[in-house]
Amino acid sequence: EPEVTQTPSHQVTQMGQEVILRCVPISNHLYFYWYRQILGQKVEFLVSFYNNEISEKSEIFDDQFSVERPDGSNFTLKIRSTKLEDSAMYFCASSEVSLGIAGSTDTQYFGPGTRLTVL
Amino acid sequence: GIQVEQSPPDLILQEGANSTLRCNFSDSVNNLQWFHQNPWGQLINLFYIPSGTKQNGRLSATTVATERYSLLYISSSQTTDSGVYFCAVEYSSASKIIFGSGTRLSIRP
Repeated sequence: EPEVTQTPSHQVTQMGQEVILRCVPISNHLYFYWYRQILGQKVEFLVSFYNNEISEKSEIFDDQFSVERPDGSNFTLKIRSTKLEDSAMYFCASSEVSLGIAGSTDTQYFGPGTRLTVL
Repeated sequence: GIQVEQSPPDLILQEGANSTLRCNFSDSVNNLQWFHQNPWGQLINLFYIPSGTKQNGRLSATTVATERYSLLYISSSQTTDSGVYFCAVEYSSASKIIFGSGTRLSIRP
């Protein structure tokens, strides 16, 4: 069964450094997402991406964050200058279609996550 | 925005017991999913269930969309069922998923 993959599984970085988290969505999926989960808290939406553009972003997704689909398979999340509070589990997800019509949306498939630790 | 409430927040059971986890949501949703987060932090999709009832082995789920709640049933619990169970709903045209705070389930041998 196809699955979303993420690398690395664990990233440790120093405060102020840039990190890039990588995701390979399911190959025929068109919609891509990033979520994060601070330890012990709920999973929070960061950003959705479709047709090489951001579709929606949350208030968490400030100027320090950016997303890119650099080629036909990867989807990346970049944090330009990491802060201690960026330490979290970051999940990538993808879906085949999301028409936004009641009953027409599709399942989002989640990757295993990247645990980011900022020291 | 939409509120997603899960209950109970914590549940401790003996192996073999049955359990019911509840998810209430405050507005109409396009989609509802149940996830299990294992001890390694991975999110495992259990059910995609915007309405109706589905079963998969010892797990089943029911969503009553008109009354804005969903239930996850776990029968004959095993220690490997331990972890956090999240309900997540999708309600906007931009496909944002909103997660509940989760139910932490601990199954004692």
